[in-house]
Amino acid sequence: AQKVTQAQTEISVVEKEDVTLDCVYETRDTTYYLFWYKQPPSGELVFLIRRNSFDEQNEISGRYSWNFQKSTSSFNFTITASQVVDSAVYFCALSGVTSGTYKYIFGTGTRLKVLA
Amino acid sequence: EPEVTQTPSHQVTQMGQEVILRCVPISNHLYFYWYRQILGQKVEFLVSFYNNEISEKSEIFDDQFSVERPDGSNFTLKIRSTKLEDSAMYFCASRARTGGFYEQYFGPGTRLTVT
Repeated sequence: AQKVTQAQTEISVVEKEDVTLDCVYETRDTTYYLFWYKQPPSGELVFLIRRNSFDEQNEISGRYSWNFQKSTSSFNFTITASQVVDSAVYFCALSGVTSGTYKYIFGTGTRLKVLA
Repeated sequence: EPEVTQTPSHQVTQMGQEVILRCVPISNHLYFYWYRQILGQKVEFLVSFYNNEISEKSEIFDDQFSVERPDGSNFTLKIRSTKLEDSAMYFCASRARTGGFYEQYFGPGTRLTVT
């Protein structure tokens, strides 16, 4: 079975602090894909990044960076110098090949509050 | 850039009424999905649709739900007799199998409120 765990329900930080959102996944697939989405108060899902299981390179995009470690089945997301606009719920998701349909399995999300 | 669209953005209905949520996937996409998110909870898979038939459905997707691609462009989710617990955000998604990635593109969602 596939599963995504985001143990942090809510995190509050002060603006300009760095913050890391944790994501741990379970899958028996050797080929799978991991994603992060941002959900602002307006409700839509904003795509941030995807990673496939064969690419363990960390990635940086502006203030965002992602650390993918297969050894610990983790795909953590760090926001550097957080801003109030980063306040949102962040979801980690997994899609594996054996489901056949590549449905996404989402974690329960982490609500990030960035205080001015 | 092409995008998935959904209508309406918000629908209010009375318990027991039928509702149809509409989605227009990206035009060259072949796989279609519906997901549900109850307020404050995670996004959950409902159903996937390919080649004019359901390819997978979750336990949530019971006989009250149905999906259809009536005209080659729209993709609809019908709830026959709504219950209070059907109140949620419903997301449509579509994907094309290209380039080895299996990324789904999500619509903005329809917020369904059942009173």
